[in-house]
Order: sequence, then structure tokens, then C-alpha cells
Amino acid sequence: GDSVTQMEGPVTLSEEAFLTINCTYTATGYPSLFWYVQYPGEGLQLLLKATKADDKGSNKGFEATYRKETTSFHLEKGSVQVSDSAVYFCALSEPGANNLFFGTGTRLTVIP
Amino acid sequence: DTEVTQTPKHLVMGMTNKKSLKCEQHMGHRAMYWYKQKAKKPPELMFVYSYEKLSINESVPSRFSPECPNSSLLNLHLHALQPEDSALYLCASSHHLSAQDEAFFGQGTRLTVV
Repeated sequence: GDSVTQMEGPVTLSEEAFLTINCTYTATGYPSLFWYVQYPGEGLQLLLKATKADDKGSNKGFEATYRKETTSFHLEKGSVQVSDSAVYFCALSEPGANNLFFGTGTRLTVIP
Repeated sequence: DTEVTQTPKHLVMGMTNKKSLKCEQHMGHRAMYWYKQKAKKPPELMFVYSYEKLSINESVPSRFSPECPNSSLLNLHLHALQPEDSALYLCASSHHLSAQDEAFFGQGTRLTVV
């Protein structure tokens, strides 16, 4: 079955540090891959997505590349800000259905 | 308008109460979803509607009853809930039931069952 494995948190970084949150997936077909962000007390917002192998999604300085050979979609940002503090969810969706499978989430705290 | 609006934001109900959660979107999306999110856990899919018809029911207990009266509205009727049903209930929508479509989420209803 489909699944998403995400790096355990929490992650605490100083402002301007480099961020990597690892995500690997298992899927029967060729899924679309997503990163969602959840700020405290709020719902989820799409951060970026990639729909086929070697696609790179990017938004707000965050990037992730769809790597079919390693079944990975790691999230990176070169310089984090305090405002990036949130929970980040990696997710996949199989063709034919938009049933999002979420990873367990990684809580990021950025300190000044 | 790129919002999914959920009401109420907070709800406290007793185990014998009947209440409803409401979700509205005006983006012309034809797929709508209910997710349940427990504290410090990822969202779990409950129901999916596609073109106002129930498409997926993830073995949810009958005390949760979804309804999609039209293409813009999605309700979740609650009856005889248990304290373990306390959670954040998230509504989402997407253009169609397609893997490539972005899902837009509402801010959620935080439900407490006492």
C-alpha cells in the first residue's frame, strides 16, 4: 500500500540556518508528491508540489525534487526565518484519486 | 476567492448532542473532503465527495454522517459522539478527484466532546 515516511522531529534551527526535512514514499503507481505546512492553530496550506519524476517544486524559498530512483521528496530551504516555524507534512496522491496520504509531520522551530 | 471556509471554528458538545460542521467553497471545485486530525498526528481521510456524490468512506462510524447539498457546501452531521472523537476536523476541496490537483484546506473546526 501507499505510505509516506518523514523525518522525525522536532527540528530546532537558528535563523538563517539550512533546512532539510527528509521524506521517502512507497507507492504502487506514479504518485504526485506534495509538501503542506500547518501554522499553529490553522489548517494546512500547500507549500509546493511535483507531479512527475525529476520535477522540482519551489515556493517561498523552499524546494523539493521528485526523485523516482530513491523514492524521495526531501524539503530544503537555504536560510530559514522565525516565521517558518510550523509543522511540515509530506504527502502523496495516486493517479485516479486525490486521496492524500500524509507523513507524520515534522515540527520546525526557528529561533532568533 | 481561494478559500475554504469552515464553521464553527470551535465546538464543545455533549455525548448526547446533535451538531453539524459546515464547509463552503466558491472556487468551482467538484471534489470535497473531510479529514480528522488528532493532536500531533497527520490528517486522516474520512470522506470524499465527487460531483456531490459520496466517493470514498474510510470505514467511518455511523455517528458521523456527511452530506453534500450542492457543489459549494459540505456538511458533517455529528450524533452520539465519544470523547475520543475530539479532534480538529478539516475540510478540503480540489478541482476534481485527480492526483495532480492541489487540495485547498479550511482552518478546521476544533471539536471537543465532553
